[in-house]
Amino acid sequence: DTEVTQTPKHLVMGMTNKKSLKCEQHMGHRAMYWYKQKAKKPPELMFVYSYEKLSINESVPSRFSPECPNSSLLNLHLHALQPEDSALYLCASSQETGATDTQYFGPGTRLTVL
Amino acid sequence: DQQVKQNSPSLSVQEGRISILNCDYTNSMFDYFLWYKKYPAEGPTFLISISSIKDKNEDGRFTVFLNKSAKHLSLHIVPSQPGDSAVYFCAATAYNTDKLIFGTGTRLQVFP
Repeated sequence: DTEVTQTPKHLVMGMTNKKSLKCEQHMGHRAMYWYKQKAKKPPELMFVYSYEKLSINESVPSRFSPECPNSSLLNLHLHALQPEDSALYLCASSQETGATDTQYFGPGTRLTVL
Repeated sequence: DQQVKQNSPSLSVQEGRISILNCDYTNSMFDYFLWYKKYPAEGPTFLISISSIKDKNEDGRFTVFLNKSAKHLSLHIVPSQPGDSAVYFCAATAYNTDKLIFGTGTRLQVFP
């Protein structure tokens, strides 16, 4: 099973809302990632978790708050977002950290901020 | 500053012919390169990779070539099939980092 699942598939939220994106994998991977992808742009790394600890934060605004409750689950909590935060949010996992380890991506959550 | 560039946003190839997708990079610290394929409404899927100690890696219909002096890599698909129609992302990294840098992608369309 090489599946990474993400929920919800689509999310529309207002600038004052609080919402969360969820990512799950059952491959026993110890590294998990959040990426943001704007239209016609490449995926850009936001956060990396290694063994449930945050190892990389790519200077992401604090309105995005990641959480890794256990080795299979990764959340991204959203609060007071801006319309420019509308994008596809991709989750990925890999066996270990180290970008040479193959990353398996979920289908993404398409977020629209009104 | 885009460290990994795919200068062709789209490519159209006839079924059975060769598809060649190109990628250039600027950071000489990159020593590992990957290609991902992305269908609509799906996440990117790993296709093939190459280490900087090699200049070629082959996996079935897919071959990646690396020219370190030119900081250029290419993905060859032979023969191309309609199911190969997707967006292809080149990505680069260094062994001592956790960060993957993606190119802007090339949309490949394989027509009958």
